Formats: sequence, C-alpha cells, structure tokens
Amino acid sequence: DVKVTQSSRYLVKRTGEKVFLECVQDMDHENMFWYRQDPGLGLRLIYFSYDVKMKEKGDIPEGYSVSREKKERFSLILESASTNQTSMYLCASSSGTTGYYGYTFGSGTRLTVV
Amino acid sequence: DQQVKQNSPSLSVQEGRISILNCDYTNSMFDYFLWYKKYPAEGPTFLISISSIKDKNEDGRFTVFLNKSAKHLSLHIVPSQPGDSAVYFCAAIRDQGAQKLVFGQGTRLTINP
Repeated sequence: DVKVTQSSRYLVKRTGEKVFLECVQDMDHENMFWYRQDPGLGLRLIYFSYDVKMKEKGDIPEGYSVSREKKERFSLILESASTNQTSMYLCASSSGTTGYYGYTFGSGTRLTVV
Repeated sequence: DQQVKQNSPSLSVQEGRISILNCDYTNSMFDYFLWYKKYPAEGPTFLISISSIKDKNEDGRFTVFLNKSAKHLSLHIVPSQPGDSAVYFCAAIRDQGAQKLVFGQGTRLTINP
C-alpha cells in the first residue's frame, strides 16, 4: 500500500520556536507539496519541489522554508512559529505523469502555536 | 486571486437523495478537474476527475459534469449514503510544467438518515 507519511499527527509549539514538519513518500514520486488547510480558505500551497534539492514557492510561502535532500523526504520549516501559523498541514506527492490522477496526501499534521 | 471557487460552505441532504456539489473556475487553461473527499483527521483522497475535453465522467454513484462555456463543474452523488458525509474539495490542474493542483474552499456535505 503506497503511502505518504507525516511524522506527527498533532504538535503544540510555542511562539518563536523553530518547527520542523517531516514528510516521507514511498512511491518514488518526483513532485512533493506542502499545503495548509484553514476553514473557509481550502487548501493553499506553501511550497513544492519537483526534484531533489529543487524548490519553488507556492501561494503563501512567507514564514516558511523547505528542504529536500532526498527524493523521498520533503521537510517544511517554520523558522519562528507564530500564532497565525496554527493550521492543518498536508503533505502530498505526485508523479510527473499522473497529474490527471492528482496527488496522494498524507494524513496531516495539526499544528497549534501558543 | 481565487481561481477555483466553491461558494457553498455546507450542504445537507437526505439519505438516498441526490447530492450536487458545485465549483466554478476562472482560468481557462486548466486541463483537468478533480474532486477530493476529506474526512476529519485524514488527508484528502482522490474521488473522480474529468479532462477539459469531456463534459461528463461517471464512476459508480459519482458523476462529474463540466460546462466549459460557463467555467463550471459539478459533482453528483446518487444515491447519497451516510458514509458520504465529508468535506469535498474541487481542484484543477494544468498538464504542463510543474503540476500544481489549485483547490477550492471546500463544501461540507452532511447526509441525514
């Protein structure tokens, strides 16, 4: 069973902390994505990567960075967490040839910044 | 700029009846449209898709209709079942370059017994 695995289901962090959200996929997919889901706003793209060590900004990259050192792993970093980054974070992956079938998502990490 | 819009935040339907979820888009360059279903505390899962060259795609109880002239698509679920209660996201994608899905805001569907 193919999977996208996010390391934590729930996280509580303090304002100003550096936060790492990890995502691993076992499908040998080229593309990986980080979204955040907020009520009334849907899923908004933070960053994506279409190859190892490659990254591109999505629609809301401010306050975030990413790292992709290996094909299977894509990390989202909150450099200095703030309360407005409290959200559900979703990682996804896709093959370069499966855009028609969309993405495979992880189960999400609910982050609360206090 | 919200390229994909779902204007109904919620929808309540009787079990056994038809559920119709709607979605509008603004970018005529999209090549595919997809519907995702999301349960609480889970990631979205792919439900059904349609190419921009078609106007209908059917998969069991789920049918997606595309009206390109109106830039509108809809998802029909017949008959609706309690397990269909979830948040449904409409999404669109271009088939060229980095394949980024653009999502709507989501519609929470509740099926009442």
